[in-house]
Amino acid sequence: AQSVTQLGSHVSVSEGALVLLRCNYSSSVPPYLFWYVQYPNQGLQLLLKYTSAATLVKGINGFEAEFKKSETSFHLTKPSAHMSDAAEYFCAVSPNDYKLSFGAGTTVTVRA
Amino acid sequence: GAVVSQHPSRVICKSGTSVKIECRSLDFQATTMFWYRQFPKQSLMLMATSNEGSKATYEQGVEKDKFLINHASLTLSTLTVTSAHPEDSSFYICSAPLRTGLQETQYFGPGTRLLVL
Repeated sequence: AQSVTQLGSHVSVSEGALVLLRCNYSSSVPPYLFWYVQYPNQGLQLLLKYTSAATLVKGINGFEAEFKKSETSFHLTKPSAHMSDAAEYFCAVSPNDYKLSFGAGTTVTVRA
Repeated sequence: GAVVSQHPSRVICKSGTSVKIECRSLDFQATTMFWYRQFPKQSLMLMATSNEGSKATYEQGVEKDKFLINHASLTLSTLTVTSAHPEDSSFYICSAPLRTGLQETQYFGPGTRLLVL
């Protein structure tokens, strides 16, 4: 079975500051890990995914995430927040590429 | 990029009525689609896998007679909430995978918010 825990339901950052969203997973098999973003009234959009290749995964919009097996973590970061990064972010785990188990989500607000 | 639409975006219905939600892949074909349910401040929970031309596969604990799924074409899956009750009020999201080469990416619809009075 797979599950995901996102620490912090809401994160507020200043424009230009580091964005750090935490995700820990549990999986009985080597996992696929994903980060999705959801803007208001839109579908989930894939930011990046880990599929057992490089442990540091670069995604769209300047985001990246690092897979740490020893910590069972897949935290998402962006060095410098932009106002357009305000959205809901979901971490997800899967034993394959399509049957996803999602975290509860983290809402990001960006202060000017 | 690929687009998945859902209709309606919002629906309010009376208890005991049935509600149909459509999920369409607009510019690609999908033999499989997925239906999720999301309660406020909670995770998206996979409800079922919709298979074109065959029966849907339901996750444990999901009543197949309550949530009827029909995948009649390669671009359309429908979820019907039968005899809806207030506890069925939720946000329903579908997704469809698109394979390009060795990569498969899930594209999600914008969701349908159901309120049962």
